[in-house]
Amino acid sequence: ETGVTQTPRHLVMGMTNKKSLKCEQHLGHNAMYWYKQSAKKPLELMFVYNFKEQTENNSVPSRFSPECPNSSHLFLHLHTLQPEDSALYLCASSQGTGLETQYFGPGTRLLVL
Amino acid sequence: ILNVEQSPQSLHVQEGDSTNFTCSFPSSNFYALHWYRWETAKSPEALFVMTLNGDEKKKGRISATLNTKEGYSYLYIKGSQPEDSATYLCAFLKAAGNKLTFGGGTRVLVKP
Repeated sequence: ETGVTQTPRHLVMGMTNKKSLKCEQHLGHNAMYWYKQSAKKPLELMFVYNFKEQTENNSVPSRFSPECPNSSHLFLHLHTLQPEDSALYLCASSQGTGLETQYFGPGTRLLVL
Repeated sequence: ILNVEQSPQSLHVQEGDSTNFTCSFPSSNFYALHWYRWETAKSPEALFVMTLNGDEKKKGRISATLNTKEGYSYLYIKGSQPEDSATYLCAFLKAAGNKLTFGGGTRVLVKP
C-alpha cells in the first residue's frame, strides 16, 4: 500500500458517456498528479496540482477535466472520450517539489468503446 | 520535447547474475533524476532521487550512478533474484517544479 488509492480500478465506457476517476492520498502531501500510460508509450504527465491549484496542464484535450477540491482528493472527469484514450490512468502525490518522491496509486484501467 | 531514453527495453537475467541498464537524458538544465520500480499489477515504487553529478545511491542490492555532464544514469542489480523482475523507470526533472518526463522503461525478467 502506497497511501494513494484510486477508484474505480477498471472502467469501460462508451464515447458518449461521462465518468469520473477518483484519487485519494492519505500521506498529507501537497501536490497531486494525473498520468497516462498508453500501450507501448512512456508514462505521460497530464496535470499537476499544488495546494489545490493547477500548475501544469500538459496540453491535455478538454475532454479530460481535472478537479482538486482539497489537497487529499483529485478527480479526472471524462466526457466524449475517444477509443485512443483507452489507457491506464495513474494518480500520484508528493510532498512538494520535483526533488520529492512521488507516490503512485494502482491506476484505473480505462477502455473506451 | 524532452528525450529520455532507456536501454535496453527488456532483458532476461539468470538468477544470481548481476545486470545494469541505462537512462539517457538531456545534459542541459538538469535538476533531478528519479528511478522507479514498477511490478506488474502494482503501483510504481520510488527507488532513488538523484541530483548531484557523480552521485551514487544504494538500496539493498540495487544501486544507481549519475553523470549529469554527459546525461546518463546507470541502474545496477547485484545478484538478481526473481523478485527483482519488474519494469524500471527513470524520470528526468528539467527545472524546479513537478513536471517529470519518464523514459519508456527497462523490463527486467529474472529467471530462476
